[in-house]
Amino acid sequence: AQSVTQLDSQVPVFEEAPVELRCNYSSSVSVYLFWYVQYPNQGLQLLLKYLSGSTLVESINGFEAEFNKSQTSFHLRKPSVHISDTAEYFCAVSDLDNYGQNFVFGPGTRLSVLP
Amino acid sequence: ETGVTQSPTHLIKTRGQQVTLRCSSQSGHNTVSWYQQALGQGPQFIFQYYREEENGRGNFPPRFSGLQFPNYSSELNVNALELDDSALYLCASSSFRDGTDTQYFGPGTRLTVL
Repeated sequence: AQSVTQLDSQVPVFEEAPVELRCNYSSSVSVYLFWYVQYPNQGLQLLLKYLSGSTLVESINGFEAEFNKSQTSFHLRKPSVHISDTAEYFCAVSDLDNYGQNFVFGPGTRLSVLP
Repeated sequence: ETGVTQSPTHLIKTRGQQVTLRCSSQSGHNTVSWYQQALGQGPQFIFQYYREEENGRGNFPPRFSGLQFPNYSSELNVNALELDDSALYLCASSSFRDGTDTQYFGPGTRLTVL
């Protein structure tokens, strides 16, 4: 069985400061990795995903995440955050061998960007 | 391209009642998954439907059931509602043909059980 750990439940950061949201997973098989963002009272939006190839993936709004197989991590980073980045961020993992049956989310990290 | 839609947006029921939630998948997607998101937690997988058949199920009791229709829309039914069923219910669609299991979520239905 897979699991996802997001060690930081809350991350406060000042505007224009860098941020890193940590995600670690456990799986005995190859996986796809995802970051989703949830704004207040809304559903989840796909932020970025790692499927294969380059271990560094980027989103259109300045976030990036790096897949590290040896450390089983997929940390999310942004060099300079904006007030509008305040939201809940969820890391998720999908098992390649069991399509759809093992899409597991972490507990989430609440990012609060302070003025 | 039409995104994932869900109805209703909010719902209030009492304990013991039954509820049906609806989801229309994104255009071109043939797979629908349902998740329960309790307050302050990550989404928990309920089940998935592919080509009108259940394709996987999480750790939820049988009173949680679903349907998928030929147009790939879906329903989630919950019988004998309990207070702990209060949550945001999320529907996500994906394409088996895509092969990546990338899931696209609707806005959710907020269910309150009194």
